[in-house]
Amino acid sequence: KAGVTQTPRYLIKTRGQQVTLSCSPISGHRSVSWYQQTPGQGLQFLFEYFSETQRNKGNFPGRFSGRQFSNSRSEMNVSTLELGDSALYLCASSGVRGRETQYFGPGTRLLVL
Amino acid sequence: AQTVTQSQPEMSVQEAETVTLSCTYDTSESDYYLFWYKQPPSRQMILVIRQEAYKQQNATENRFSVNFQKAAKSFSLKISDSQLGDAAMYFCAYRSGNGANSKLTFGKGITLSVRP
Repeated sequence: KAGVTQTPRYLIKTRGQQVTLSCSPISGHRSVSWYQQTPGQGLQFLFEYFSETQRNKGNFPGRFSGRQFSNSRSEMNVSTLELGDSALYLCASSGVRGRETQYFGPGTRLLVL
Repeated sequence: AQTVTQSQPEMSVQEAETVTLSCTYDTSESDYYLFWYKQPPSRQMILVIRQEAYKQQNATENRFSVNFQKAAKSFSLKISDSQLGDAAMYFCAYRSGNGANSKLTFGKGITLSVRP
């Protein structure tokens, strides 16, 4: 089975721009979660989508949003980028019930200049 | 809210030796899962081992095993016969057993180096 894939792998943007990151889960998985990893804050939960509905949300401003499509693929959008949004964004998928182990993609490294 | 603490930022082990990475957590829940993830320089987060809180038996995966002390809220990872490829950052993580609350709460991680 193919693993979780994320595109793009690297991204450079400037302040004020917006960005969209994509995540394709493991085949058959219905839950997709997003995490932000920075040296200062560590790994923080952004949100989770299950069957096209946002099921959980972390403590991030409204500039961070996401969605999930009927094929379980998910996108995450960040609007009005700030320097502090520079981070590794990790996507993880888990199985049918959403209680299973989360398997991570390789991440998208975002640099905001 | 749940918290996960990894108090050792760095550890080092000689190749072929055994090392134990510590993790403590705080929760008021009785149903939960604990994980150890490995993050090598490639930054890909790889599952090492998983433990269900309701299971008294400690999980084992080849050279990796855990010491799960539920009452003490301690969850340490033992790596036996350490290999150069084990060098990475290791994260301890907690997940609620409530299926509607799926988020992972991570510790700050520990950097493990393996000396040849």
